[in-house]
Amino acid sequence: GAVVSQHPSWVICKSGTSVKIECRSLDFQATTMFWYRQFPKQSLMLMATSNEGSKATYEQGVEKDKFLINHASLTLSTLTVTSAHPEDSSFYICSARHLGGNRGDTEAFFGQGTRLTVV
Amino acid sequence: GQSLEQPSEVTAVEGAIVQINCTYQTSGFYGLSWYQQHDGGAPTFLSYNALDGLEETGRFSSFLSRSDSYGYLLLQELQMKDSASYFCAVLTYGQNFVFGPGTRLSVLP
Repeated sequence: GAVVSQHPSWVICKSGTSVKIECRSLDFQATTMFWYRQFPKQSLMLMATSNEGSKATYEQGVEKDKFLINHASLTLSTLTVTSAHPEDSSFYICSARHLGGNRGDTEAFFGQGTRLTVV
Repeated sequence: GQSLEQPSEVTAVEGAIVQINCTYQTSGFYGLSWYQQHDGGAPTFLSYNALDGLEETGRFSSFLSRSDSYGYLLLQELQMKDSASYFCAVLTYGQNFVFGPGTRLSVLP
């Protein structure tokens, strides 16, 4: 199946610094990728939809100036958490849908996730 | 608005059958997916239903009734490794998946 690679898998940073998370589709092109956040024992909450070559679409309540998304190519989207605070500590997961795959576009492939801890 | 409901926890023994229900209210509906997530891991795809009826894949089956806005995941011959969280997710007109709150399944020996 299609593979989505996310890096880093975990990161610890100091409060006030910025962290960049990369999401790559390894064997298919993804014009759209999605960024989710998951707090412990909770569900995945969509943060934003990343569109190649255009601005990301953010969900209500998500600060676009704090969570910068760049989708510069058909295989790479990045999420930068700026001026991180302890409350930003969470599990961040990207996903991409493989249009034209065996299941058509009905399956979302997820990266491994990034566990961010802000101290 | 978007809302999905699932039971928060289910417990069963090895070899048993478990059904996890999901009801949904979303703005637009293409289909219902199920994902499995082990602690610390990423979600993995289990199934997708776009039409009413039952889809079977090995020990797992998924059912959808669009008229009732309802679906379920059926796990048979439970194994210890099936202990995980299971999320139903609706594929919306926005082309993204909206996830349910998740059901934590514990399989006991």
